Amino acid sequence: NAGVMQNPRHLVRRRGQEARLRCSPMKGHSHVYWYRQLPEEGLKFMVYLQKENIIDESGMPKERFSAEFPKEGPSILRIQQVVRGDSAAYFCASSRDQGLYSGNTIYFGEGSWLTVV
Amino acid sequence: QQQVKQSPQSLIVQKGGISIINCAYENTAFDYFPWYQQFPGKGPALLIAIRPDVSEKKEGRFTISFNKSAKQFSLHIMDSQPGDSATYFCAASLASGTYKYIFGTGTRLKVLA
Repeated sequence: NAGVMQNPRHLVRRRGQEARLRCSPMKGHSHVYWYRQLPEEGLKFMVYLQKENIIDESGMPKERFSAEFPKEGPSILRIQQVVRGDSAAYFCASSRDQGLYSGNTIYFGEGSWLTVV
Repeated sequence: QQQVKQSPQSLIVQKGGISIINCAYENTAFDYFPWYQQFPGKGPALLIAIRPDVSEKKEGRFTISFNKSAKQFSLHIMDSQPGDSATYFCAASLASGTYKYIFGTGTRLKVLA
C-alpha cells in the first residue's frame, strides 16, 4: 500500500517563476493537507482539501499561493512568482476521515524541497 | 495561545540511556497530542499520540506522559538506540480541526553508539 506520494522531491526555481508541487494521497484517503516547514522550524498548516473543495485555507499566504484537489488526479500546490522566502520543504499529508474520535491519523509524504535562487 | 513550546532544541544521549523531550501548550481546548519522528530528507512519521483523558501512554520503548493541569506533555525514549537519532516534533490539535496540528519547533536527538 503506497504511502503519500509527492513530486518533485526537489525543485529549484528562479525568483519570479512558478512552482507546482503535486501530491497523491494514500489509497482510500480523500482528505489532503499541505504543510510548510521552514529551515530549523516545525511544520505549519497551510490548507485542507477534499476532492474539488477547499475546506480550510486559513494557513495559506493571501497572495501567490493556491491549492486544488481535482476530481481526477493529484492535489497541486501552486506558488506563483516565487521569492527567496518561499524556499522550504512542503509536505502533503492525507487521511481517511476527518474527526477526532474516528481514530483519524494523518500520514505525511516525504516532502518537496523548494529552493528559490 | 496557539503555540506549542518544545525543549530542548537538541539532545545528545548515550546508547541505552533515556531521552526526554518536553512540550508545553497554552490553549486548553487542545485535545489531541501526537509525536512525530522525522529523519533527514524524509517526512514526519507518527510515533505515538495521546488524548488528555489519560496521563500516560506507552508503546514499546516510547512513552508519552501527560500533565493536564500543568499543560505539559513529554516523550520518553527508553533504551535509546543510534537508530533513534532523528528530529522529534510534538504537536497539538483541536477536536474541531484535528488536521490543523500546531507543531513544536523540534528536538534534534543524537544517540551515541
